[in-house]
Amino acid sequence: GENVEQHPSTLSVQEGDSAVIKCTYSDSASNYFPWYKQELGKRPQLIIDIRSNVGEKKDQRIAVTLNKTAKHFSLHITETQPEDSAVYFCAASKGENTGFQKLVFGTGTRLLVSP
Amino acid sequence: NAGVTQTPKFRILKIGQSMTLQCAQDMNHNYMYWYRQDPGMGLKLIYYSVGAGITDKGEVPNGYNVSRSTTEDFPLRLELAAPSQTSVYFCASSYAHRSSNQPQHFGDGTRLSIL
Repeated sequence: GENVEQHPSTLSVQEGDSAVIKCTYSDSASNYFPWYKQELGKRPQLIIDIRSNVGEKKDQRIAVTLNKTAKHFSLHITETQPEDSAVYFCAASKGENTGFQKLVFGTGTRLLVSP
Repeated sequence: NAGVTQTPKFRILKIGQSMTLQCAQDMNHNYMYWYRQDPGMGLKLIYYSVGAGITDKGEVPNGYNVSRSTTEDFPLRLELAAPSQTSVYFCASSYAHRSSNQPQHFGDGTRLSIL
């Protein structure tokens, strides 16, 4: 089955710096890669996702890149702010043409942005 | 609408007791999922359902049961609770859409301790 590895497990940056979180996946049939942000004690919330027919996607300060050949994808956060501090999870799935997806999650990256 | 609602928010069980974690969504989503999140780890899929009357096992189904008698409700049953089932449980749902992955919407979680 699918296996998703995520690095680093913790990441500390200064406010205004960029942060990059990387994930690798094992199943070449995976075609959907969402990223979730989870604040302490809260629910995971989708922040961005990418499909395998796209190499990069941006949404304001957040971007995700996908390298299908190498089977890895990355989250990039620019101009980090203290409110970006949270745990970030990547996930992968073999999405079906019905919208159904069985997500396999990485183990998370704790991002700390210091003022 | 309320989205995905989980009850209870917290519960302490004794070893061997049983309980049902409730999950309801009011978005008319076809797909529903149950995950567990152990400390410092990602989410692991326990069970999922693609529609009323249809359920299937995820990565870690042992010790759990589910049912889906209506589109809105997807309860998770723990029989003979064990300390290894101490975790935070998240319910999620997503919309059925032809040829497009749809994001999963999560509830606030149920924090369960088994002593």
